[in-house]
Amino acid sequence: DSGVTQTPKHLITATGQRVTLRCSPRSGDLSVYWYQQSLDQGLQFLIQYYNGEERAKGNILERFSAQQFPDLHSELNLSSLELGDSALYFCASSVEGSGGVDTQYFGPGTRLTVL
Amino acid sequence: GEDVEQSLFLSVREGDSSVINCTYTDSSSTYLYWYKQEPGAGLQLLTYIFSNMDMKQDQRLTVLLNKKDKHLSLRIADTQTGDSAIYFCAEKGQAGTALIFGKGTTLSVSS
Repeated sequence: DSGVTQTPKHLITATGQRVTLRCSPRSGDLSVYWYQQSLDQGLQFLIQYYNGEERAKGNILERFSAQQFPDLHSELNLSSLELGDSALYFCASSVEGSGGVDTQYFGPGTRLTVL
Repeated sequence: GEDVEQSLFLSVREGDSSVINCTYTDSSSTYLYWYKQEPGAGLQLLTYIFSNMDMKQDQRLTVLLNKKDKHLSLRIADTQTGDSAIYFCAEKGQAGTALIFGKGTTLSVSS
């Protein structure tokens, strides 16, 4: 158990809908990262937050947004969902969110299925 | 751009050594990581190596880094059926925070 929690574990929804994925980082970690894992693209970095502020952005679509709240939990919002958004979404957390060794610990993921 | 390449499959017999290879392109990478993903689970950090090191050993795991060739390998000694999983190599990208992952190597261990 990494100490990172994600809810829900599974989500099934229809095209055009909007969903929210939630992540609670490990105790003491200030930085949260979101990654998408799909069969064709592999594991891709979406976005990082550090202590409530956006720190880095990866291949995140404009239809997707995220935020980190004062209690440090984070939410990833996915809207106007398409079939291609079906994937496993991972949250990871680290202490500093820096370029040092600053290990990222991953949650169990949320499996999103868009029908 | 940044890219990490891994072979997709490796099959070994229980008790043998497994060697999973990885190549990366970003010569400015400072840390390289190995993660393990079991079916239906998240990614578990196995080990990492700093770019000024050639080798790191941690129990049954040995990581070798050839910085000149940008080649990283993970050796698992005395491989067990419980080691069957997908193994991901990752580097810290130029931005310094996000991890860039390979596509993963599926290790299958037969008894």
